[in-house]
Amino acid sequence: GAVVSQHPSWVICKSGTSVKIECRSLDFQATTMFWYRQFPKQSLMLMATSNEGSKATYEQGVEKDKFLINHASLTLSTLTVTSAHPEDSSFYICSASTPVSGGIETQYFGPGTRLLVL
Amino acid sequence: QKEVEQNSGPLSVPEGAIASLNCTYSDRVSQSFFWYRQYSGKSPELIMSIYSNGDKEDGRFTAQLNKASQYVSLLIRDSQPSDSATYLCAVSRLSFGAGTTVTVRA
Repeated sequence: GAVVSQHPSWVICKSGTSVKIECRSLDFQATTMFWYRQFPKQSLMLMATSNEGSKATYEQGVEKDKFLINHASLTLSTLTVTSAHPEDSSFYICSASTPVSGGIETQYFGPGTRLLVL
Repeated sequence: QKEVEQNSGPLSVPEGAIASLNCTYSDRVSQSFFWYRQYSGKSPELIMSIYSNGDKEDGRFTAQLNKASQYVSLLIRDSQPSDSATYLCAVSRLSFGAGTTVTVRA
């Protein structure tokens, strides 16, 4: 399957600082990238959908000014958690999708970034 | 009503048995369906995709889709301890079920 990387894999930061997470599709050009958050023992929660060169579409309840998404190219999207607080501590996972035959897209997930805000 | 619902777990099966996972969805126009496996502390990995009614087999995994009943299932044959994980059902690109945790007892 396709490969999606994330960096960093984990980060610990102080409350009030900003953290940037990178998501790259390594062997394909992703038409769309997605950012998810997952709290312990819960399912994935979609935060936003981003397309290269356009503004991200945020899900209801997700603050766009707090979670800044930049999708600069077909292989790179970044999520910046601004002024992070302990309640932002979570597992952040990106995914990238590309059309396959028949126009049906498949998502490939990155390995995730574990964020701990002290 | 949740968009994607999975049978509540956890599901415990003995090694070598069949694990059966079920998923129902609410959006009738959905066209693509996926099963992901997520090990604890890891991100999901795609194990099966299915788009047409009927069965699709891949190794020990069989996905079954019934669009009329809005139902998709996953069967794991000859379950192995390494199959112990949480299985997520996804409908189209964005709707994920809460997951069913499977434990295979050696």
